[in-house]
Amino acid sequence: EAQVTQNPRYLITVTGKKLTVTCSQNMNHEYMSWYRQDPGLGLRQIYYSMNVEVTDKGDVPEGYKVSRKEKRNFPLILESPSPNQTSLYFCASSSLAGASYEQYFGPGTRLTVT
Amino acid sequence: ILNVEQSPQSLHVQEGDSTNFTCSFPSSNFYALHWYRWETAKSPEALFVMTLNGDEKKKGRISATLNTKEGYSYLYIKGSQPEDSATYLCAFIYGNKLVFGAGTILRVKS
Repeated sequence: EAQVTQNPRYLITVTGKKLTVTCSQNMNHEYMSWYRQDPGLGLRQIYYSMNVEVTDKGDVPEGYKVSRKEKRNFPLILESPSPNQTSLYFCASSSLAGASYEQYFGPGTRLTVT
Repeated sequence: ILNVEQSPQSLHVQEGDSTNFTCSFPSSNFYALHWYRWETAKSPEALFVMTLNGDEKKKGRISATLNTKEGYSYLYIKGSQPEDSATYLCAFIYGNKLVFGAGTILRVKS
């Protein structure tokens, strides 16, 4: 089944404790992206990747890191999480290069930082 | 940061009503516009990818139009059903980035 998977689905952590949210897709998509969703603000793009070893900042990259060492995986790293990073996070991918193709979203990761 | 606005913020309609909502975006440097449907406790799913001025797309009872010169897109739902209840998001494609609107929440009462 074609899908985007994220782990964990739920995470409660404390300020400053490094964490990684994994994202994997099995559709051989080139474009992958991370978003955060906060009430009243819609989805905001954190980082995106056009292909392996090619990543770039979205609109809200502060406090996040990403890597794209393999085509299928695009982990999101929070080196020192803070309470303002409490949010619902989505990973997404799309075929070929470029964001003009429809995004396929993962199930979401709800992160709480205390 | 680009501004993509959706209106109304929320809408409550009766089953069988037809409804429409708007996505407004910058009219310069247009590349593409996406519409997504997001049901509670699920992930957003693509409805339409629109790229050309005057585009009209249809999927069942849902259709969308695009005006890139004036910077807006309409989403129409004909004969709303309770299962249409969801948040409808538009996303403006800017280079290789996506900028989403805050969404329109639709609730259809039976």
